[in-house]
Amino acid sequence: AQTVTQSQPEMSVQEAETVTLSCTYDTSESDYYLFWYKQPPSRQMILVIRQEAYKQQNATENRFSVNFQKAAKSFSLKISDSQLGDAAMYFCASSGRGTSYGKLTFGQGTILTVHP
Amino acid sequence: SQTIHQWPATLVQPVGSPLSLECTVEGTSNPNLYWYRQAAGRGLQLLFYSVGIGQISSEVPQNLSASRPQDRQFILSSKKLLLSDSGFYLCAWSVRVAGGDTQYFGPGTRLTVL
Repeated sequence: AQTVTQSQPEMSVQEAETVTLSCTYDTSESDYYLFWYKQPPSRQMILVIRQEAYKQQNATENRFSVNFQKAAKSFSLKISDSQLGDAAMYFCASSGRGTSYGKLTFGQGTILTVHP
Repeated sequence: SQTIHQWPATLVQPVGSPLSLECTVEGTSNPNLYWYRQAAGRGLQLLFYSVGIGQISSEVPQNLSASRPQDRQFILSSKKLLLSDSGFYLCAWSVRVAGGDTQYFGPGTRLTVL
């Protein structure tokens, strides 16, 4: 079984500043994947970044990076040089490689507001 | 490149009416397909997933059913809609690879049951 918790219902950031979104998870799988998805007002889910749990190196995608703390079961997303287009709801999600293979479990989301 | 389509984009249906939502994927073969539902302002809940034609797994007992008549077509249905079926329905696809799979989502269907 998997659970994903996002403790920040809302966050805000000034344009060009850096913001970090928090996520904690729990899983019974020995190997798993973690994801951050972005949902803009159009409501289409867009993949932001993915982390394979067996890799110690934190994933990065341009201005987006993660801080993966496996022992603490923490997976935070850092957005650098925030842009107005980053405003959206962000979801943390996990899926396992065993019995929960391919089944994404989502957190409740964090609404990010970017101020000009 | 791969694309995923969903239709209709918006649907308003009376309680007790049938439902059919369609999802198709282009540019890939034998994808895994998924149906999710998102209640207002909340996370997504997995409803059904399919690893091949005619193979459907249900995650949540409910008023809905799914079918996969073709490799890249996934249909969500109901015989009689309930008020609680209202929500935003998202279809997703993935391809199983050695390193695991990543799901990519369609544009979604907003369903309102009155």
